[in-house]
Amino acid sequence: DAKTTQPPSMDCAEGRAANLPCNHSTISGNEYVYWYRQIHSQGPQYIIHGLKNNETNEMASLIITEDRKSSTLILPHATLRDTAVYYCISKGRNTDKLIFGTGTRLQVFP
Amino acid sequence: NAGVTQTPKFQVLKTGQSMTLQCAQDMNHNSMYWYRQDPGMGLRLIYYSASEGTTDKGEVPNGYNVSRLNKREFSLRLESAAPSQTSVYFCASSEQNSNQPQHFGDGTRLSIL
Repeated sequence: DAKTTQPPSMDCAEGRAANLPCNHSTISGNEYVYWYRQIHSQGPQYIIHGLKNNETNEMASLIITEDRKSSTLILPHATLRDTAVYYCISKGRNTDKLIFGTGTRLQVFP
Repeated sequence: NAGVTQTPKFQVLKTGQSMTLQCAQDMNHNSMYWYRQDPGMGLRLIYYSASEGTTDKGEVPNGYNVSRLNKREFSLRLESAAPSQTSVYFCASSEQNSNQPQHFGDGTRLSIL
């Protein structure tokens, strides 16, 4: 599975969009990009995933570059409750294992 | 919706004691996983089970054993607890060999004195 790199921390004002980047330059063609978040010390919460196309759900949008070497998770209107560690993970369909890095600690401030 | 349920939520052990952490899922998933998370770090895979009756080692299996009791339940056992096993333990489940996400429990916070 491809290794991902993320900035260790980011800040965002409440109500503004939070854009969290992720580099996965060695991703292979059958690997998906997944985003999870972990609020305080709770269990990781699934946010969104995608292969090639941009994806949107009720929580966030995922923008994947055309060459698939990087992606951005967008929280359109960040709230204080979005303060968490966000993990970007790549995984192929033929494996069930997730490899977590240290993620990006997003701090949303009033 | 229960999802993935872990018991207990907290536990304190003395060095050398044994303990079994329980995990159950109600989503009819084939695959189940045990992770540990140490302070300031991401989750690391201890063991996983791709289906009932099968188990495989993950990244950090030493000092642990697992049992896939049935499709719903996957337990993690510490035979002789050591202070280095103080951690937060998470169980997860997912469809097997698919692009569907893993679903996580709320964790067991284990301290070994």
